[in-house]
Parts: sequence; structure tokens; C-alpha cells
Amino acid sequence: DGGITQSPKYLFRKEGQNVTLSCEQNLNHDAMYWYRQDPGQGLRLIYYSQIVNDFQKGDIAEGYSVSREKKESFPLTVTSAQKNPTAFYLCASSSDRVWGTQYFGPGTRLTVL
Amino acid sequence: GIQVEQSPPDLILQEGANSTLRCNFSDSVNNLQWFHQNPWGQLINLFYIPSGTKQNGRLSATTVATERYSLLYISSSQTTDSGVYFCAVSITNAGKSTFGDGTTLTVKP
Repeated sequence: DGGITQSPKYLFRKEGQNVTLSCEQNLNHDAMYWYRQDPGQGLRLIYYSQIVNDFQKGDIAEGYSVSREKKESFPLTVTSAQKNPTAFYLCASSSDRVWGTQYFGPGTRLTVL
Repeated sequence: GIQVEQSPPDLILQEGANSTLRCNFSDSVNNLQWFHQNPWGQLINLFYIPSGTKQNGRLSATTVATERYSLLYISSSQTTDSGVYFCAVSITNAGKSTFGDGTTLTVKP
């Protein structure tokens, strides 16, 4: 089946540690995105990538880093510089251009202990 | 940046009722999507509708781009329609994708 997978589903981190969230898609989509969702709020854009080896900052990129070495993969690293990392993280992709119809993965819930 | 306002913030319905959700945005946009987020957090794409009207079963959506709003209609509500409905807008090449804060719909049996 085609789709977007994210792992892990739940992630617990100690303060001061970097963690990497995985996002993989087999839809052959060019564009991929990372969003953050806090309780009771909408999604905020962290980073997006239009093509391999290229990515752009979104609204809240500070404390996060990404890479796009393969078309299928867009991992997100939450660094120790992110002051309040506990949140729900969602990855999405779209087909022929940035901001076309976006399809979302199931999300990763990150909790900092 | 673009401001997106969704109303109402909360809506409680009895099964079988109809509802209208609204999304207002502050600037001209190229892209507008409606999503349903289920209780497990999964976002389901409902409509990609930068302008015009679309229908899919009991759901339909209308965007009037010149007046900067979009409406999502849900007819004959079912308990499985419960969740949060989000509107998201963007301008191509502007580097921004803005979500509203959502409308939380609860459908009671």
C-alpha cells in the first residue's frame, strides 16, 4: 500500500538529548513537510522540502534540523536547543509541487521527561 | 503572515443533524485544504479546494476566494464524524502553510 509512515509512534526523551523522528513515503511525492501540533491548537510548519538535497525553514524552525538525502525520506532531528519539544509531530507529502494536496502520516508523540 | 480563523471553535450535534463550518483567511491564497483529525491524531484530507465547490458523499465544501472564506458542510452527521476539522491555506512559493485552530465536532448518538 502507498502511504506515509512515521516512527516511532511514541518517543520519550531526557532533557539535553537530541532525537530523530523518521518519516518515509512511497507515494513518489517530491515535496515533504514537518509540522508540530500542541494540544488544542492547529499545526505549525517546521521545515519543508521541495526536492532532494533542498529544504526550507518554516515558521518555527529554531531547535530543529532536517535532511533530504533521498526522495522517500525526510527525517527530523529535535535538538537540545528546542526549549519546549514536547508535542505531536506530523509529517506530510504532496505530489507535483509544494503546497499541493498534502497527505499526512500518523504522527509521533514526543515527550521530554 | 496569513491569518486563518475557523468558526465555531466547538460544535455539538445529535446524530443526523447538519452543520456548517467556516474558514476565513486574511489574504489571497492559491491553496486551501480541509482536513479531519480523528481522535488518534491522524489527519485525513477531505478537500483540496482553492475555489469553487466540491462534494464527496455527505460532505461538501465551497470556497469563495474573492471574499476570502471557505465553508465545509456536513450532512446527516454520524458519530464517526467526531474530531477536529482544520482548514489550511498557503500561497505557492511564499514558504508558508497556515492552519487554523480547528473546529472540534462532537456528534452524539
